[in-house]
Amino acid sequence: EIVLTQSPATLSLSPGERATLSCRASQSVSSYLAWFQQKPGQAPRLLIYDASNRATGIPARFSGSGSGTDFTLTISSLEPEDFAVYYCHQRSNWPSITFGQGTRLEIK
Amino acid sequence: EVQLLESGGGLVQPGGSLRLSCAASGFTFSSYAMSWVRQAPGKGLEWVSLISGDTETTYYADSVKGRFTISRDNSKNTLYLQMNSLRVEDTAVYYCARSKIYCSGESCYLGVWGQGTTVTVSS
Repeated sequence: EIVLTQSPATLSLSPGERATLSCRASQSVSSYLAWFQQKPGQAPRLLIYDASNRATGIPARFSGSGSGTDFTLTISSLEPEDFAVYYCHQRSNWPSITFGQGTRLEIK
Repeated sequence: EVQLLESGGGLVQPGGSLRLSCAASGFTFSSYAMSWVRQAPGKGLEWVSLISGDTETTYYADSVKGRFTISRDNSKNTLYLQMNSLRVEDTAVYYCARSKIYCSGESCYLGVWGQGTTVTVSS
């Protein structure tokens, strides 16, 4: 099983600041990595796929980078609605897809 | 509008059974593989099972293999998860989500999710 480790566990920032979230895979996942956003009581929403491509309808302030084992999700300027939990996800080992444990982005 | 709507969750005793359903609308259901993903209270996401669009192929996480059965009825645009021999650790919100198997780009990922149905296993 490919284990995804996210850091930090919690990130405290203010609106307008830049957020940088990390995800490290236990083995190479090539570029088969995605990022999801989840708000309380809601289903996850796909933000980024194939490491660096924004999903349909996702604002340009969200960007992804990385390949192999190290990946980053960047939110360039935080909006109030961006405070949520973010999960990375790999499909390299399909169908045994896995998710990271999540990073909680909270308002400082 | 593309939509997935789960139902069938509830409270069940350990060792009991439950069948979840996921009704799809707004897209060609048979063209998509469907997955169940669960989330235990306060925890992260865990993939549970996947079925191909033509129903020919199914996959399961080791944690549910032999206890859960995924199926679908393409004539009814509905996905199912039969859960037997339930354990306390199966307590979670269960989501259905769609993706494609033979794909490229965004469609390869779980791009559409339902709102979830809650399963509680407790005595």
